[in-house]
Amino acid sequence: KAGVTQTPRYLIKTRGQQVTLSCSPISGHRSVSWYQQTPGQGLQFLFEYFSETQRNKGNFPGRFSGRQFSNSRSEMNVSTLELGDSALYLCASSLGTGYQPQHFGDGTRLSIL
Amino acid sequence: GESVGLHLPTLSVQEGDNSIINCAYSNSASDYFIWYKQESGKGPQFIIDIRSNMDKRQGQRVTVLLNKTVKHLSLQIAATQPGDSAVYFCAEPEYGNKLVFGAGTILRVKS
Repeated sequence: KAGVTQTPRYLIKTRGQQVTLSCSPISGHRSVSWYQQTPGQGLQFLFEYFSETQRNKGNFPGRFSGRQFSNSRSEMNVSTLELGDSALYLCASSLGTGYQPQHFGDGTRLSIL
Repeated sequence: GESVGLHLPTLSVQEGDNSIINCAYSNSASDYFIWYKQESGKGPQFIIDIRSNMDKRQGQRVTVLLNKTVKHLSLQIAATQPGDSAVYFCAEPEYGNKLVFGAGTILRVKS
């Protein structure tokens, strides 16, 4: 079974631009969550989607948004990029809620110049 | 455990020895815990999980112990190998699928 796939793996943008990251979950998984990982803050939850609906949201500004499609694939968008948005963005999928571990992709490394 | 910005603790062990990585949590109502391994350049990889109705759970070369009295988790790795070198995180769901991660521990295996 293929794992969680994130594209692109690396991205370089400049301040003020916007970016869209993509995530394909494990087949059959309906929940997709996004996390930001930085050396200073560690792993921080961004949001979760289940059946095309945002079910939970972390403490990030409105510049961070996401969506989920009917095939469970998800995208996250960051607008008006700031230097502090440089991070590894990780996507995780799981079957649903309850006692189910989330499985992560290898992330998209976003660098803001 | 809350993820905070930081210098990660490091555990150095000799190849073949057993490793013990610790994690404290603060929410006494937490009922599910997960351990992840993250190698350089990769995403966190699921290792093992445990529910609060258990004190111990074993996997292949790994054991997780849960002490609810002192709100403490540990991950034991038997016969540590060079391929075990990575950062290890404990995580717990705060609400639904929102995971809160510990700061992480760097495991270095010396050959």
